[in-house]
Amino acid sequence: KAGVTQTPRYLIKTRGQQVTLSCSPISGHRSVSWYQQTPGQGLQFLFEYFSETQRNKGNFPGRFSGRQFSNSRSEMNVSTLELGDSALYLCASSVTGAEDEKLFFGSGTQLSVL
Amino acid sequence: AQSVSQHNHHVILSEAASLELGCNYSYGGTVNLFWYVQYPGQHLQLLLKYFSGDPLVKGIKGFEAEFIKSKFSFNLRKPSVQWSDTAEYFCAVGYNTDKLIFGTGTRLQVFP
Repeated sequence: KAGVTQTPRYLIKTRGQQVTLSCSPISGHRSVSWYQQTPGQGLQFLFEYFSETQRNKGNFPGRFSGRQFSNSRSEMNVSTLELGDSALYLCASSVTGAEDEKLFFGSGTQLSVL
Repeated sequence: AQSVSQHNHHVILSEAASLELGCNYSYGGTVNLFWYVQYPGQHLQLLLKYFSGDPLVKGIKGFEAEFIKSKFSFNLRKPSVQWSDTAEYFCAVGYNTDKLIFGTGTRLQVFP
């Protein structure tokens, strides 16, 4: 079974630009969560999608948005990029998103904002 | 606000030394507790988890963690570390229906 796939692996953007990251969950997994990982803040929850609906949302500004398609693939969009958005963005999937389910993480997309 | 604290940001050990990484969380009723590990160049993997029952949880690769409810702690331990344990370790807590809240991580370096 293929794992969680995130593309691209690396991105370099400049301030003010926008970016779209993609995540393909494990086959059969319908819940997709997004996390931001920075050295200073650790892992912070962005949002979770289940059956094409945003079910949970973390404490990030509206510049961060996402969506999920009928095949459970998810995209995350960040508009008007700021230097502080430089981070590793991780996607995780699970079958239903229940808290006691194991999360399977992708390798992440490393975003650098110059 | 609910939070998770990992007080050890960077730990350096020699092989065969014992390891204990601290994790404390803010009170929030019933919680589920997790430790994740990220080896260099790899993605996050689940080490162990606690939902209920025996507060001493055994995980993969000889790791264990003890849930102490009175101290709101879930410390990770390993009696004898190996060079291959060099990684970043994240404690995570699930509060009711909220998504997981992660600590800032502890970077472990093990020298032969």
